[in-house]
Amino acid sequence: DVKVTQSSRYLVKRTGEKVFLECVQDMDHENMFWYRQDPGLGLRLIYFSYDVKMKEKGDIPEGYSVSREKKERFSLILESASTNQTSMYLCASSLPYQGTENTEAFFGQGTRLTVV
Amino acid sequence: DAKTTQPPSMDCAEGRAANLPCNHSTISGNEYVYWYRQIHSQGPQYIIHGLKNNETNEMASLIITEDRKSSTLILPHATLRDTAVYYCIVTSGGSNYKLTFGKGTLLTVNP
Repeated sequence: DVKVTQSSRYLVKRTGEKVFLECVQDMDHENMFWYRQDPGLGLRLIYFSYDVKMKEKGDIPEGYSVSREKKERFSLILESASTNQTSMYLCASSLPYQGTENTEAFFGQGTRLTVV
Repeated sequence: DAKTTQPPSMDCAEGRAANLPCNHSTISGNEYVYWYRQIHSQGPQYIIHGLKNNETNEMASLIITEDRKSSTLILPHATLRDTAVYYCIVTSGGSNYKLTFGKGTLLTVNP
């Protein structure tokens, strides 16, 4: 079974803490993505990476950074957590576009982060 | 990537076909239409995708209009387990393509 694994299902952190959310995939996918999901706002793309050490900003990158040192691992970093970063965070991975081939994304189960 | 428009919510009776519309009037020639769904508390799951021809798999059918400006996802016999948020996405791929979701359609299947 293909798998995208997020390190924590639930996380509670204090305001100002540095927070690391880890995501690992076992499918040898080049592309990896981080999203946050909030009620009424849908899934919003924070950052994505199309190769090791490569990254691009998504739609809401402010307050976040990412790291991709190995192909299978993509980390989301909250440099100084704030209460407005309380959210569900979802990681995904996929193959790169290959013409007519399916490049579906596979998602992890999500990390519900609460910043107090 | 082209923007998509979906109704925020729909209802369907169990056992009937659920038809979920999506408008993507700014789609360009090399962009694919993908559908995903998200059942409560889970990550989104791929359903189906297509370029211009209609597609069918074990989960659903995808009907794309001739001008490709809209599409319909069809769940032929909806069950209670199909209650979920359904996302329509348009993407051109490329080695570093963005995968951008909107707010989707909440489909509620009623007994």
